[in-house]
Amino acid sequence: AQKVTQAQTEISVVEKEDVTLDCVYETRDTTYYLFWYKQPPSGELVFLIRRNSFDEQNEISGRYSWNFQKSTSSFNFTITASQVVDSAVYFCALLGSSNTGKLIFGQGTTLQVKP
Amino acid sequence: DTGVSQNPRHKITKRGQNVTFRCDPISEHNRLYWYRQTLGQGPEFLTYFQNEAQLEKSRLLSDRFSAERPKGSFSTLEIQRTEQGDSAMYLCASSLDGGAWETQYFGPGTRLLVL
Repeated sequence: AQKVTQAQTEISVVEKEDVTLDCVYETRDTTYYLFWYKQPPSGELVFLIRRNSFDEQNEISGRYSWNFQKSTSSFNFTITASQVVDSAVYFCALLGSSNTGKLIFGQGTTLQVKP
Repeated sequence: DTGVSQNPRHKITKRGQNVTFRCDPISEHNRLYWYRQTLGQGPEFLTYFQNEAQLEKSRLLSDRFSAERPKGSFSTLEIQRTEQGDSAMYLCASSLDGGAWETQYFGPGTRLLVL
């Protein structure tokens, strides 16, 4: 079975603080992709990043960075110097080779950034 | 380049009525997906199409649900004899036909409330 766990239901920070959103996944597939999506109050899921199971290099994009560790089955997401516009629900998702086209989502982490 | 569009954005209906939602994918995308998201949860896969062929259906898709993509472009999701438990956000996504690994891009969703 495939599963994604986002243990943090809600996180609240003050603007300019750094914040890390945790994601732990389970899969027996050797080939898989991991994704992060952002869902602002408007409801649309916005794609942020995808990584494949063979590429454990960390990635940085502006204030966003991602830490992929196969040894701990984790794909964590860090926002540096958070801003009020970062307030949203963030979802981690898994796409495995045995689950053709079917994204498996975690329950999401609601991030509130206060001014 | 326009994104995925969905109509209507909101739908309120009475229990027992039929409803139909429409999804227009990104123009060059061959794959189209439907997900359902209930409050406080991540999206759950319902079904997906490659061109006009429906390739997989989740067990969540009861007999009251039907999805079509007649010409391989837009898709419709119909719910017959709606129940209060059908109240949810219905999300549509599309991807390029580069195999199952392509990133799925989501529309704004249709929020259904069954009274």
